[in-house]
Amino acid sequence: DTAVSQTPKYLVTQMGNDKSIKCEQNLGHDTMYWYKQDSKKFLKIMFSYNNKELIINETVPNRFSPKSPDKAHLNLHINSLELGDSAVYFCASSHTSGGETQYFGPGTRLLVL
Amino acid sequence: GESVGLHLPTLSVQEGDNSIINCAYSNSASDYFIWYKQESGKGPQFIIDIRSNMDKRQGQRVTVLLNKTVKHLSLQIAATQPGDSAVYFCAETYNAGNMLTFGGGTRLMVKP
Repeated sequence: DTAVSQTPKYLVTQMGNDKSIKCEQNLGHDTMYWYKQDSKKFLKIMFSYNNKELIINETVPNRFSPKSPDKAHLNLHINSLELGDSAVYFCASSHTSGGETQYFGPGTRLLVL
Repeated sequence: GESVGLHLPTLSVQEGDNSIINCAYSNSASDYFIWYKQESGKGPQFIIDIRSNMDKRQGQRVTVLLNKTVKHLSLQIAATQPGDSAVYFCAETYNAGNMLTFGGGTRLMVKP
């Protein structure tokens, strides 16, 4: 069984559109994250949620809005997509919010045309 | 600002040789370090971790060494195999926080 899953795996869309990426973890973890990986493989955290509450919000445009309906899900909605949003987005989860190993999903490859 | 690692260098090794991947970190308060492996088209996968009260930890074919004096972390892979080909990331955090900071990654290429 997949521990951290994301959908879709690939997302190709036009500039200006609104899109969502879904993430689910079946590990029973309390904390979930979204990361962005650029073309040079650099991984940067975007958001962190603990038990459905936002605890980290890095400098990310307001067009990005995470939503956590329950602690097993953390979805990422992106409004008015821009060319620079093209990247691979990874969801991750950890048991708690303190110094724990994070487990990553397979990634969503977003291409904005 | 604080940083872990810098660039994406490439390490090319012959199958069967040992590999050593290095990582420099700049936050002296960091107390937990993790090595991740990312294969092409996949998400980062946990390999091994180490806390700052240790200077060495061994896993299956992998060893992590931590030198707090010079703020250096290394991952040693014994008898490197083609399946070890991937990008390897070090990551660190401190004060039991969940802010995991990743280094820039090292690409390991294994020649058969």
